[in-house]
Amino acid sequence: GAGVSQSPSNKVTEKGKDVELRCDPISGHTALYWYRQSLGQGLEFLIYFQGNSAPDKSGLPSDRFSAERTGGSVSTLTIQRTQQEDSAVYLCASSPSRNTGELFFGEGSRLTVL
Amino acid sequence: DQQVKQNSPSLSVQEGRISILNCDYTNSMFDYFLWYKKYPAEGPTFLISISSIKDKNEDGRFTVFLNKSAKHLSLHIVPSQPGDSAVYFCAASARRGAQKLVFGQGTRLTINP
Repeated sequence: GAGVSQSPSNKVTEKGKDVELRCDPISGHTALYWYRQSLGQGLEFLIYFQGNSAPDKSGLPSDRFSAERTGGSVSTLTIQRTQQEDSAVYLCASSPSRNTGELFFGEGSRLTVL
Repeated sequence: DQQVKQNSPSLSVQEGRISILNCDYTNSMFDYFLWYKKYPAEGPTFLISISSIKDKNEDGRFTVFLNKSAKHLSLHIVPSQPGDSAVYFCAASARRGAQKLVFGQGTRLTINP
Protein backbone atom coordinates (compact mmCIF):
# COMPACT_ATOMS: atom_id res chain seq x y z
CA GLY A 1 0.00 0.00 0.00
CA ALA A 2 1.07 3.56 -0.57
CA GLY A 3 -0.21 4.99 2.69
CA VAL A 4 1.35 5.56 6.09
CA SER A 5 1.81 2.24 7.83
CA GLN A 6 1.86 1.83 11.61
CA SER A 7 2.56 -1.19 13.78
CA PRO A 8 1.37 -2.71 15.97
CA SER A 9 -2.24 -1.76 15.43
CA ASN A 10 -3.02 -2.79 19.00
CA LYS A 11 -0.74 -3.15 21.99
CA VAL A 12 -1.71 -4.14 25.52
CA THR A 13 1.01 -3.84 28.11
CA GLU A 14 1.47 -3.80 31.84
CA LYS A 15 2.26 -0.66 33.74
CA GLY A 16 6.01 -0.13 33.97
CA LYS A 17 6.89 -1.92 30.72
CA ASP A 18 8.52 -0.22 27.74
CA VAL A 19 6.78 -0.11 24.35
CA GLU A 20 7.88 0.73 20.83
CA LEU A 21 5.56 1.94 18.12
CA ARG A 22 6.66 1.99 14.50
CA CYS A 23 5.73 4.23 11.60
CA ASP A 24 6.52 3.82 7.91
CA PRO A 25 5.73 7.11 6.16
CA ILE A 26 4.72 7.53 2.55
CA SER A 27 7.76 7.14 0.33
CA GLY A 28 9.31 10.49 -0.51
CA HIS A 29 7.60 12.39 2.30
CA THR A 30 10.17 14.46 4.13
CA ALA A 31 8.10 15.41 7.17
CA LEU A 32 6.90 12.95 9.82
CA TYR A 33 4.69 13.68 12.82
CA TRP A 34 3.50 11.81 15.87
CA TYR A 35 0.20 12.71 17.50
CA ARG A 36 -1.86 10.93 20.12
CA GLN A 37 -5.55 10.87 20.82
CA SER A 38 -6.67 10.02 24.31
CA LEU A 39 -10.26 8.94 24.93
CA GLY A 40 -12.63 11.83 24.24
CA GLN A 41 -9.80 14.21 23.40
CA GLY A 42 -8.50 15.85 20.28
CA LEU A 43 -5.23 15.07 18.59
CA GLU A 44 -2.26 16.10 20.72
CA PHE A 45 1.01 16.94 18.97
CA LEU A 46 4.00 14.95 20.22
CA ILE A 47 6.98 15.33 17.89
CA TYR A 48 7.90 16.41 14.36
CA PHE A 49 10.76 15.40 12.05
CA GLN A 50 11.70 17.34 8.93
CA GLY A 51 14.51 15.99 6.79
CA ASN A 52 17.85 16.17 8.56
CA SER A 53 16.84 19.00 10.86
CA ALA A 54 16.70 18.55 14.61
CA PRO A 55 13.25 17.24 15.57
CA ASP A 56 10.71 19.44 17.32
CA LYS A 57 10.14 17.55 20.55
CA SER A 58 8.11 20.24 22.25
CA GLY A 59 4.96 18.10 22.51
CA LEU A 60 6.47 15.10 24.28
CA PRO A 61 4.68 14.91 27.65
CA SER A 62 7.58 13.58 29.69
CA ASP A 63 11.13 12.27 29.39
CA ARG A 64 9.71 8.75 29.27
CA PHE A 65 8.78 9.50 25.66
CA SER A 66 11.33 9.53 22.87
CA ALA A 67 11.33 9.09 19.11
CA GLU A 68 13.82 8.61 16.38
CA ARG A 69 13.73 8.57 12.64
CA THR A 70 16.30 6.44 10.90
CA GLY A 71 17.54 7.23 7.41
CA GLY A 72 14.92 9.90 6.98
CA SER A 73 12.20 7.27 6.68
CA VAL A 74 10.96 4.87 9.37
CA SER A 75 10.25 6.30 12.81
CA THR A 76 9.97 4.62 16.20
CA LEU A 77 8.19 6.15 19.18
CA THR A 78 9.36 4.67 22.46
CA ILE A 79 7.54 4.98 25.76
CA GLN A 80 9.50 3.84 28.79
CA ARG A 81 7.97 2.72 32.08
CA THR A 82 4.46 3.05 30.72
CA GLN A 83 1.71 4.51 32.90
CA GLN A 84 -2.05 4.09 32.61
CA GLU A 85 -2.40 7.67 31.41
CA ASP A 86 -0.31 6.75 28.37
CA SER A 87 -3.24 4.71 27.06
CA ALA A 88 -4.28 6.32 23.78
CA VAL A 89 -4.24 5.93 20.03
CA TYR A 90 -0.86 7.02 18.71
CA LEU A 91 -1.12 8.43 15.20
CA CYS A 92 1.72 8.92 12.78
CA ALA A 93 1.44 11.26 9.81
CA SER A 94 3.69 12.30 6.97
CA SER A 95 3.73 15.21 4.59
CA PRO A 96 5.47 15.70 1.26
CA SER A 97 6.87 19.09 2.20
CA ARG A 98 6.58 21.86 4.72
CA ASN A 99 4.38 23.90 2.47
CA THR A 100 1.12 22.04 2.31
CA GLY A 101 -0.06 21.78 5.89
CA GLU A 102 -1.97 18.67 4.80
CA LEU A 103 -0.97 15.59 6.72
CA PHE A 104 -1.45 11.98 5.67
CA PHE A 105 -2.25 9.87 8.71
CA GLY A 106 -1.80 6.20 9.39
CA GLU A 107 -4.49 4.14 11.09
CA GLY A 108 -2.85 4.49 14.47
CA SER A 109 -1.53 2.21 17.17
CA ARG A 110 -3.92 1.72 20.07
CA LEU A 111 -1.97 1.40 23.30
CA THR A 112 -3.64 0.08 26.44
CA VAL A 113 -1.66 0.13 29.68
CA LEU A 114 -3.15 -2.10 32.38
CA ASP B 1 -4.96 25.81 27.24
CA GLN B 2 -7.25 24.69 24.42
CA GLN B 3 -6.30 26.92 21.51
CA VAL B 4 -8.76 25.27 19.11
CA LYS B 5 -12.19 24.41 20.43
CA GLN B 6 -15.06 22.45 19.01
CA ASN B 7 -17.77 22.95 21.56
CA SER B 8 -20.25 20.46 20.14
CA PRO B 9 -19.11 16.90 20.78
CA SER B 10 -21.89 15.55 18.56
CA LEU B 11 -24.36 16.61 15.89
CA SER B 12 -27.23 14.74 14.29
CA VAL B 13 -28.63 15.83 10.91
CA GLN B 14 -31.23 14.48 8.55
CA GLU B 15 -30.00 13.16 5.22
CA GLY B 16 -30.26 15.82 2.53
CA ARG B 17 -30.16 18.73 4.98
CA ILE B 18 -27.23 21.01 5.75
CA SER B 19 -24.66 20.06 8.41
CA ILE B 20 -22.83 22.93 10.10
CA LEU B 21 -19.81 22.18 12.25
CA ASN B 22 -18.25 24.97 14.26
CA CYS B 23 -14.79 25.71 15.52
CA ASP B 24 -13.34 28.57 17.59
CA TYR B 25 -9.71 29.47 18.12
CA THR B 26 -7.90 31.77 20.51
CA ASN B 27 -4.46 32.24 18.99
CA SER B 28 -4.46 35.30 16.72
CA MET B 29 -1.25 34.00 15.10
CA PHE B 30 -3.18 31.18 13.43
CA ASP B 31 -3.57 31.91 9.74
CA TYR B 32 -4.22 28.56 8.12
CA PHE B 33 -7.09 26.26 8.99
CA LEU B 34 -8.00 22.75 7.99
CA TRP B 35 -10.78 20.23 8.50
CA TYR B 36 -10.10 16.53 8.81
CA LYS B 37 -12.59 13.68 8.77
CA LYS B 38 -12.10 10.47 10.71
CA TYR B 39 -13.92 7.15 10.40
CA PRO B 40 -13.64 4.56 13.21
CA ALA B 41 -10.38 2.59 13.20
CA GLU B 42 -8.94 4.81 10.48
CA GLY B 43 -6.59 7.75 10.56
CA PRO B 44 -7.93 11.25 9.92
CA THR B 45 -8.07 12.32 6.28
CA PHE B 46 -7.77 15.86 4.99
CA LEU B 47 -11.02 17.40 3.83
CA ILE B 48 -10.66 21.11 3.11
CA SER B 49 -8.56 24.08 4.14
CA ILE B 50 -8.66 27.86 4.15
CA SER B 51 -6.05 30.56 4.41
CA SER B 52 -6.68 33.67 6.47
CA ILE B 53 -6.58 35.80 3.32
CA LYS B 54 -9.92 34.27 2.36
CA ASP B 55 -13.25 34.09 4.14
CA LYS B 56 -14.69 31.20 2.17
CA ASN B 57 -13.44 28.13 0.37
CA GLU B 58 -15.68 25.69 -1.43
CA ASP B 59 -15.08 22.15 -2.66
CA GLY B 60 -18.12 20.34 -3.94
CA ARG B 61 -20.55 19.76 -1.08
CA PHE B 62 -18.09 21.17 1.46
CA THR B 63 -17.61 24.85 2.24
CA VAL B 64 -15.47 26.35 4.97
CA PHE B 65 -16.16 29.85 6.24
CA LEU B 66 -13.67 31.89 8.23
CA ASN B 67 -14.55 34.88 10.42
CA LYS B 68 -11.22 36.26 11.58
CA SER B 69 -12.66 38.98 13.77
CA ALA B 70 -14.66 36.41 15.70
CA LYS B 71 -11.87 33.80 15.51
CA HIS B 72 -14.45 31.36 14.26
CA LEU B 73 -14.69 28.96 11.38
CA SER B 74 -17.38 26.61 10.25
CA LEU B 75 -17.73 23.70 7.88
CA HIS B 76 -20.93 23.38 5.88
CA ILE B 77 -21.89 20.13 4.22
CA VAL B 78 -24.81 20.28 1.84
CA PRO B 79 -26.58 18.08 1.08
CA SER B 80 -25.56 15.75 3.90
CA GLN B 81 -25.18 12.10 3.02
CA PRO B 82 -25.00 8.96 5.22
CA GLY B 83 -21.34 8.52 4.25
CA ASP B 84 -20.60 11.86 5.89
CA SER B 85 -21.16 10.28 9.30
CA ALA B 86 -17.75 10.56 10.96
CA VAL B 87 -15.79 12.60 13.49
CA TYR B 88 -14.68 15.98 12.13
CA PHE B 89 -11.60 17.73 13.48
CA CYS B 90 -10.78 21.36 13.03
CA ALA B 91 -7.06 22.22 12.95
CA ALA B 92 -5.01 25.40 12.79
CA SER B 93 -1.44 26.48 12.26
CA ALA B 94 0.51 29.71 12.51
CA ARG B 95 1.50 29.43 8.89
CA ARG B 96 0.72 27.07 6.10
CA GLY B 97 2.90 24.03 6.34
CA ALA B 98 3.91 24.79 9.91
CA GLN B 99 4.79 21.59 11.64
CA LYS B 100 2.46 21.80 14.55
CA LEU B 101 -1.16 21.60 13.58
CA VAL B 102 -3.28 22.27 16.66
CA PHE B 103 -6.43 20.19 16.63
CA GLY B 104 -9.81 20.61 18.26
CA GLN B 105 -11.51 17.84 20.20
CA GLY B 106 -13.67 16.77 17.28
CA THR B 107 -17.40 16.68 16.54
CA ARG B 108 -19.14 13.39 15.83
CA LEU B 109 -21.57 13.92 12.95
CA THR B 110 -24.37 11.43 12.42
CA ILE B 111 -26.49 11.62 9.27
CA ASN B 112 -29.85 10.01 9.73
CA PRO B 113 -31.63 8.46 6.73
